[in-house]
Amino acid sequence: GAVVSQHPSRVICKSGTSVKIECRSLDFQATTMFWYRQFPKKSLMLMATSNEGSKATYEQGVEKDKFLINHASLTLSTLTVTSAHPEDSSFYICSAIPSGVYNEQFFGPGTRLTVL
Amino acid sequence: AQSVTQLDSQVPVFEEAPVELRCNYSSSVSVYLFWYVQYPNQGLQLLLKYLSGSTLVKGINGFEAEFNKSQTSFHLRKPSVHISDTAEYFCAVSRMDSSYKLIFGSGTRLLVRP
Repeated sequence: GAVVSQHPSRVICKSGTSVKIECRSLDFQATTMFWYRQFPKKSLMLMATSNEGSKATYEQGVEKDKFLINHASLTLSTLTVTSAHPEDSSFYICSAIPSGVYNEQFFGPGTRLTVL
Repeated sequence: AQSVTQLDSQVPVFEEAPVELRCNYSSSVSVYLFWYVQYPNQGLQLLLKYLSGSTLVKGINGFEAEFNKSQTSFHLRKPSVHISDTAEYFCAVSRMDSSYKLIFGSGTRLLVRP
């Protein structure tokens, strides 16, 4: 149980285009999801907290207009990287907390974004 | 604010040898503690967690960790490693409130050699 999926697993796009990444909780409902960014050989940096039915909460230094987050249902959150540039290339990982559970996050497999 | 320190960026060890991956944390409030493993190009998998109770926590794949409040440490141990344990290991903390946010250490790469 507690499986989180991400789609796509890999995406390559041209500079200036927008890319949408989906995060789904497959067998549970998640009021809260998180989006992380991981640079090569680096740790995970929390980008934002996604709450179903409300606006996302962004961490300091993360551009809200650059990284659009939508959490329209209890099983789906999306991250859209707008006007992507090569410096946005990274590994993006989402996690989800089952509703009613307060002390464990379940992670998706990650999405490798490469901006040319 | 919370912070997590993993002093060892890489730990090489021979197969079947014991290993300890170190983790120290800093926090002004009580925290939950976690160890995650990440295989190449994959997400994170929970190895074990400390919420309360016994300070010795057993996890999956033969790993265990011990919470030491006085030393603010949560070191991960395995008595005998396998080649398949080669991966990146992350220590993390979260506050004991409703924020749920995880603060990660910088990671330790465990490299098991035959």
